[in-house]
Amino acid sequence: NAGVTQTPKFQVLKTGQSMTLQCAQDMNHEYMSWYRQDPGMGLRLIHYSVGAGITDQGEVPNGYNVSRSTTEDFPLRLLSAAPSQTSVYFCASTGMGGDTQYFGPGTRLTVL
Amino acid sequence: DQQVKQNSPSLSVQEGRISILNCDYTNSMFDYFLWYKKYPAEGPTFLISISSIKDKNEDGRFTVFLNKSAKHLSLHIVPSQPGDSAVYFCAATFTGGGNKLTFGTGTQLKVEL
Repeated sequence: NAGVTQTPKFQVLKTGQSMTLQCAQDMNHEYMSWYRQDPGMGLRLIHYSVGAGITDQGEVPNGYNVSRSTTEDFPLRLLSAAPSQTSVYFCASTGMGGDTQYFGPGTRLTVL
Repeated sequence: DQQVKQNSPSLSVQEGRISILNCDYTNSMFDYFLWYKKYPAEGPTFLISISSIKDKNEDGRFTVFLNKSAKHLSLHIVPSQPGDSAVYFCAATFTGGGNKLTFGTGTQLKVEL
């Protein structure tokens, strides 16, 4: 099992550009989440999904879109990047009834 | 409004001694707590958890204590090893919360030789 994979590892964008951060898991987990980590802020939940076709907002959803068309994939879209979205982004997944979230290695995003 | 707080940004401990990392929470709905460990340039990895029906959970060198009345939990690492040097995050969730975790800001542990 590869676990949770994220691409790309690093990305630099200009203000106003759009991009998609990819996340995939091969553990057949129902729950998937996106977090961002900023200095002094811990990890904050952006969006989450409890299954294919079902998504909901977390603590800091503004500026981000998600969709969940398959169990395996949970992409995060930035429609118009802003410098405030400079952060490290982590994707995580959990199985139904599970209590442990498995995290991907992260994507470091810089918006100039 | 920080619902999960880790008031010590850093902690330095000598190898072989005990490391105690602390975490406080404010939301009474939280009933499940987890500790994650994070190395630089990697994602967080699960370390240990505790349900609110318990006051202690032990796994090898790691023990988590929960004091519900004080809304406080702590992670004890005994004995501390240099490989334990990492950032430790406390996280909380509640039954029916859909596995949404609320994280603290983390404590950087450095275990010195």
